[in-house]
Amino acid sequence: QKEVEQNSGPLSVPEGAIASLNCTYSDRGSQSFFWYRQYSGKSPELIMFIYSNGDKEDGRFTAQLNKASQYVSLLIRDSQPSDSATYLCAVIRDSGGSNYKLTFGKGTLLTVNP
Amino acid sequence: NAGVMQNPRHLVRRRGQEARLRCSPMKGHSHVYWYRQLPEEGLKFMVYLQKENIIDESGMPKERFSAEFPKEGPSILRIQQVVRGDSAAYFCASSWEGGGEAFFGQGTRLTVV
Repeated sequence: QKEVEQNSGPLSVPEGAIASLNCTYSDRGSQSFFWYRQYSGKSPELIMFIYSNGDKEDGRFTAQLNKASQYVSLLIRDSQPSDSATYLCAVIRDSGGSNYKLTFGKGTLLTVNP
Repeated sequence: NAGVMQNPRHLVRRRGQEARLRCSPMKGHSHVYWYRQLPEEGLKFMVYLQKENIIDESGMPKERFSAEFPKEGPSILRIQQVVRGDSAAYFCASSWEGGGEAFFGQGTRLTVV
């Protein structure tokens, strides 16, 4: 079982729709969860982080965390063509003293169609 | 308010040469991480450093790879005797505290020919 799993996509949504990106993780001891956006050929850009169960909203972005189900998601409301990118889910496992090491999924490619 | 600065952005080396990748963390950040992204692969942790200390190098290949973060100057990732399989994007990230939000540099894209 992979440590952090994401559907590779591509996920295609029309402009203005809600894009829903999902991520599951295997280590129940994971404490911190991050969403990065990576445009092709560019560096990962931190867009959201969440530590507690529930929802966290920031502008058009909402991160949702369910530790019981080991599931974290990112919702993008009113999707824009400029949101087209690969979205990376990353987890910090708080076990064995490695509470700094980001473990990444392979990412989901999102395409927002005008 | 400069972010994480990496140079060079692109580096071409012939097999057997050495590659030196540099990273200056964000102002106020003393924790530096190096990640490697192979084509079609996710980002993989390589090494975590604080000033003058390697905290965790569990993701580094045992041979040819080394990293440092001196008291003065940037962090350096050094790859000796490069091989084609070393071709990848190498990203540096920094954070204010260990385990805090990490911000990435633009990366160095290494091509071994």
